[in-house]
Amino acid sequence: EVQLVESGGGLVQPGRSLRLSCKVSGFNFGDYGMSWVRQAPGKGLEWVGFIRNKGYGETIGYAASVKDRFIISRDDSNNIAYLQMNSLKTEDTALYYCTRDHGWLLAYWGQGTLVTVSS
Amino acid sequence: EIVLTQSPGTLSLSPGERATLSCRASQSIISTYLAWYQQKPGQAPRLLIYDISTRATGIPDRFSGSGSGTDFTLTISRLEREDFAVYYCQQYGSSPRTFGQGTKLEIK
Repeated sequence: EVQLVESGGGLVQPGRSLRLSCKVSGFNFGDYGMSWVRQAPGKGLEWVGFIRNKGYGETIGYAASVKDRFIISRDDSNNIAYLQMNSLKTEDTALYYCTRDHGWLLAYWGQGTLVTVSS
Repeated sequence: EIVLTQSPGTLSLSPGERATLSCRASQSIISTYLAWYQQKPGQAPRLLIYDISTRATGIPDRFSGSGSGTDFTLTISRLEREDFAVYYCQQYGSSPRTFGQGTKLEIK
């Protein structure tokens, strides 16, 4: 069974950093790209970024709203994807989901981890 | 960036009725890269339909997708109580991948 479990969320002050993790199981992590999607409280879905697998050179892409502040990486030996969030703003407050990609499709989703940016 | 506009914002129907949800793109999407997701309160989104009309694994056949170019539709042929949720369309053919703002399907 495909499982994705996010962790690392919490309350953080504006300007600070936080690193989210997405631990996966039930599939060969190295074969798939991963993405992050967020959802502000009571709002819709916003794609944050992606990282492809080694076969595609671990290409990375970001939404304009997080580019130059967020960094996506992966650890294939431990089946974990990461989202390093720097220079956090109040508008980054959201539930952050990781997804397993099928091509460019967001095929499987974790349950999310909540990030609250507030002073 | 491709902007997706969903209508209506809220759809009030009764179990057993047919639901038709619309998703319009600001420009033609690449290939058939249009998906629909269902999200229930307190849950993560779930993939329903991809490539415009292909049902994801385990999705009942009362759900169907159609459309081309810039206009797409999700149809639920006969609503069951478990279908009342928020539905999002998403294009995944060009970067950034974008979502519609969602349609809330509520019980009348």
